[in-house]
Amino acid sequence: EVQLVQSGAEVKKPGESLEISCKGSGYTFTDYWIGWVRQMPGKGLEWMGIIYPGDSDATYSPSFQGQVTISVDKSISTAYLQWSSLKASDTAMYYCARGYDSSGFLLTSDTFDMWGQGTMVTVSS
Amino acid sequence: QTVVTQEPSFSVSPGGTVTLTCGLTSGSVSTTYYPSWFQQTPGQAPRTLIYSTNIRSSGVPDRFSGSILGNKAALTITGAQADDESDYYCMLYMGSGIEVFGTGTKVTVL
Repeated sequence: EVQLVQSGAEVKKPGESLEISCKGSGYTFTDYWIGWVRQMPGKGLEWMGIIYPGDSDATYSPSFQGQVTISVDKSISTAYLQWSSLKASDTAMYYCARGYDSSGFLLTSDTFDMWGQGTMVTVSS
Repeated sequence: QTVVTQEPSFSVSPGGTVTLTCGLTSGSVSTTYYPSWFQQTPGQAPRTLIYSTNIRSSGVPDRFSGSILGNKAALTITGAQADDESDYYCMLYMGSGIEVFGTGTKVTVL
């Protein structure tokens, strides 16, 4: 079965660091991108960034550049989203999603075709 | 900064047709933005409906269709059913590897 499985919910204090994960299975992990999407409570979806496991090349939304780090360990088919110093405003559900190049020539992801179940991150003192 | 805009809400009767749109605060949406559409019900992860303007994702019923209407991308639900009541988001490819979600539309079926 093709799936993305995310790590469990986290409760952290402001200033702490955090890494959440997204493990792909049932497909060739290095053939697709992995993107991260934020959804703050009661709000819409926000595209944070994307990484290509084949070469670990990551692209970030300007809104999230410098705020988070996206990485990957292709040996275990897992992508990560990291914070070095959490803020209360980082409280949100975070989804990973599999991206692919539907155009066939963009050489980057232009859509998401499947999603992880989400990881809830709560940051509170 | 360009924002991807969607109608905040729509109401449709069971069996009816509704068209949601996805536009830009500056410029027109075309196929080169590779518009995608996603459905999200409360408490659930999003589900991919449409990609590359009008290609249905695997398992998506044919009552969902995508197109370009004028200067916007559009998602049409034909023959709406109760379980179509959800939030719908478009996403556009903006170039340089960056994608942006729209503001989302809440669809009520009643």
